[in-house]
Amino acid sequence: EVQLLESVGGLGQPGGSLRLSCAASGFTFTNYAVGWVRQAPGKGLEWVSSISRSGDGTAYADSVKGRFTVSRDNSDNTVYLQMNSLRVEDTAVYYCATKIPGAHFEYWGQGTLVTVSS
Amino acid sequence: ETVMTQSPATLSVSPGERATLSCRASQSVSSGLAWYQQKPGQAPRLLIYGASTRATDAPARFSGSGSGTEFTLTISSVQSEDFAAYYCHQYNKWPLTFGGGTKVEIK
Repeated sequence: EVQLLESVGGLGQPGGSLRLSCAASGFTFTNYAVGWVRQAPGKGLEWVSSISRSGDGTAYADSVKGRFTVSRDNSDNTVYLQMNSLRVEDTAVYYCATKIPGAHFEYWGQGTLVTVSS
Repeated sequence: ETVMTQSPATLSVSPGERATLSCRASQSVSSGLAWYQQKPGQAPRLLIYGASTRATDAPARFSGSGSGTEFTLTISSVQSEDFAAYYCHQYNKWPLTFGGGTKVEIK
């Protein structure tokens, strides 16, 4: 069974940092790129970042570019999202999802809530 | 950026009725279009990819059509479990973008 398990997000302060992780199991991890998608309270879905199968290719939405960094550890089947210089508008549920390269998001984690507030 | 516009924002239907949801792209995304269903408190679930290919566990009453800039998700006979939000998503061009969603509610 495919499983993606995000770490607990938690509360961060404006200007602060948080790191999310996404642990994968039940499939061949290196066959998939992985993306992060967020959803602000009561709002729609917003793509945040993606990382290639090998980890040597990354992409970011303009809203997080220069502040967020995505990485992966293929020996541990885990993807990370380092979030720096947090803003109130980063408050959202963050989902990790597997992505066939050049194609759609297929499997999704359950999501983790990140709240940025002073 | 490719802007995805979904209509209507809310669709009120009775169980057993047909539901038609629309998604328009601001530029051609070829067939690089997926549809997701999301229920409150849950993660999105893939229904359709490649504009018209049903996901493995998506019920046959869901179908997708279109290419280029105009896409449609059709629920042939809405069941009680189908009342949810639906999002289209283009993956043909960077940055990846989602539509604002259509909420299907009980009439």
